[in-house]
Amino acid sequence: GESVGLHLPTLSVQEGDNSIINCAYSNSASDYFIWYKQESGKGPQFIIDIRSNMDKRQGQRVTVLLNKTVKHLSLQIAATQPGDSAVYFCAEINQGGKLIFGQGTELSVKP
Amino acid sequence: KAGVTQTPRYLIKTRGQQVTLSCSPISGHRSVSWYQQTPGQGLQFLFEYFSETQRNKGNFPGRFSGRQFSNSRSEMNVSTLELGDSALYLCASSATSGGVTDTQYFGPGTRLTVL
Repeated sequence: GESVGLHLPTLSVQEGDNSIINCAYSNSASDYFIWYKQESGKGPQFIIDIRSNMDKRQGQRVTVLLNKTVKHLSLQIAATQPGDSAVYFCAEINQGGKLIFGQGTELSVKP
Repeated sequence: KAGVTQTPRYLIKTRGQQVTLSCSPISGHRSVSWYQQTPGQGLQFLFEYFSETQRNKGNFPGRFSGRQFSNSRSEMNVSTLELGDSALYLCASSATSGGVTDTQYFGPGTRLTVL
């Protein structure tokens, strides 16, 4: 079946350091990937997306990298801040147009 | 623009009862999707509605149903509640349906507890 999974369930970083959150996906036909951030008590919030015809995309303090050869996606957060503490989900759009989420990585930022 | 709103925010029911959750999308958005979030299963797609028609459906039993009204507001219903239905139910809206570049915006969710 289709699945999008995350390598690490938790990640703890020092404020100011860079964070890297990883994701593996199994459907090689997926052509669109999204990272969401979910804070406690809130719904997922869109961070950044990437199409399969790209291998890198940058936003404000965030960069998404896509390696189609090994079906791996990563989210890099520069100069991590306490407000970045949340659960991060990668997701893919499958051929049916459904959004398939990974299990999530909890990012904890230590001041 | 106001974001996606969901009511109620919290709900407690007992096994066997039925429940109806409501979602109001962002103004102008015509697609509404529903997701179930649990610690064990993560975020799972339930169904998507566009222009009052169900366009996509996840792998959930028939006890889970939904509908969309002409103003794009959506409701989902769960009948004969089971303990395992306890979850955060999230609604997301987007401008169109099925477009790979259509960003989905999520509401805060309804926390359902089944006793």
